[in-house]
Amino acid sequence: SQQGEEDPQALSIQEGENATMNCSYKTSINNLQWYRQNSGRGLVHLILIRSNEREKHSGRLRVTLDTSKKSSSLLITASRAADTASYFCATGLTNDYKLSFGAGTTVTVRA
Amino acid sequence: SQTIHQWPATLVQPVGSPLSLECTVEGTSNPNLYWYRQAAGRGLQLLFYSVGIGQISSEVPQNLSASRPQDRQFILSSKKLLLSDSGFYLCACDRGNQPQHFGDGTRLSIL
Repeated sequence: SQQGEEDPQALSIQEGENATMNCSYKTSINNLQWYRQNSGRGLVHLILIRSNEREKHSGRLRVTLDTSKKSSSLLITASRAADTASYFCATGLTNDYKLSFGAGTTVTVRA
Repeated sequence: SQTIHQWPATLVQPVGSPLSLECTVEGTSNPNLYWYRQAAGRGLQLLFYSVGIGQISSEVPQNLSASRPQDRQFILSSKKLLLSDSGFYLCACDRGNQPQHFGDGTRLSIL
């Protein structure tokens, strides 16, 4: 079953703007991961944040995790046309290597 | 780094026909392997996972089966396809609580 739920479902922004998407989940987690999927392709891992971490950066990506609210956010700064894709959060539980994926946020970056 | 090969990329099959999708992994040994199905515009549904040769766990009851005849080979099969088996099938691998690596998927259409 899907534990993570992304919000919004879709997002359209101008090149250069920031894009923020959120993920909420229901149970305690070991880690939360964000993936990107370009149309018709497989998923590519972006960032993994563990339950004892609050914020992580990778290039233009910033991920936060609030375990008290059971939520995470992904911020893409200075967006580019190449950032157009669907973004998924996935939660990993302690003692369980399986991931539970949300339905994703579709981001369109307009030139 | 790990590379996942999936074939074919696209497949059109009649209802009632058999199915065999293959996934092979390079660059790692003894990986956990996963088969997911993704409906259009939706998240990923975990179908099967395997922690070793001959070890298969099914997540949802369905018309499909999986096998792992070799350490880095994972096969998804069906004896008789249904219309509801249409979708985008993704194979993934990981090593424990690490990010998953995905293949580029097979787009399966049932007519």
